[in-house]
Amino acid sequence: GQSLEQPSEVTAVEGAIVQINCTYQTSGFYGLSWYQQHDGGAPTFLSYNALDGLEETGRFSSFLSRSDSYGYLLLQELQMKDSASYFCAVRPSNNTNAGKSTFGDGTTLTVKP
Amino acid sequence: ETGVTQSPTHLIKTRGQQVTLRCSSQSGHNTVSWYQQALGQGPQFIFQYYREEENGRGNFPPRFSGLQFPNYSSELNVNALELDDSALYLCASSPRGFNTGELFFGEGSRLTVL
Repeated sequence: GQSLEQPSEVTAVEGAIVQINCTYQTSGFYGLSWYQQHDGGAPTFLSYNALDGLEETGRFSSFLSRSDSYGYLLLQELQMKDSASYFCAVRPSNNTNAGKSTFGDGTTLTVKP
Repeated sequence: ETGVTQSPTHLIKTRGQQVTLRCSSQSGHNTVSWYQQALGQGPQFIFQYYREEENGRGNFPPRFSGLQFPNYSSELNVNALELDDSALYLCASSPRGFNTGELFFGEGSRLTVL
């Protein structure tokens, strides 16, 4: 089976840094992705880690530790528009693309002025 | 925007009816996956289509079925609708063998079953 655990809610102020954690227990693991979803919108891809370590993309960074079955998304210089839900997702194996990913239930980030 | 389009955007059905949802994948993407997202939850994998054949299925009953056409567009069909089928249905496309975790999602079709 597959399960991913994320905090349900996180609140931070504009300009701050926030970390959203994700722990996973999956029968297969090839990589961890992060997606952002605004209310009523499509999930949009933010970052992907197949190897241990940090991946940086602008204000967003993602980290993976395969030995700990753990990853996180780091958002820096928070802006009001970052208020959204954030999902981690596991790509189960190498013999397929990400289309069979398992998603966590998401973390709702609220950014306050 | 990803270039993945879905229709209809919203629809209301009654229990026991059937529904067809449609998806046009992003140009060049030959693999389409369908997800169900209930309110307050993450997307759940329904099935994937590649070369017009089902290529993997999640934990959904057979009344959830699909098609993929030669132009890579796809349909999701749900028969004998139940109240719990009320959800946002998301289509996601990607190129086969695309070696990242990136999926390109459409805006979804929001289904309400009364």
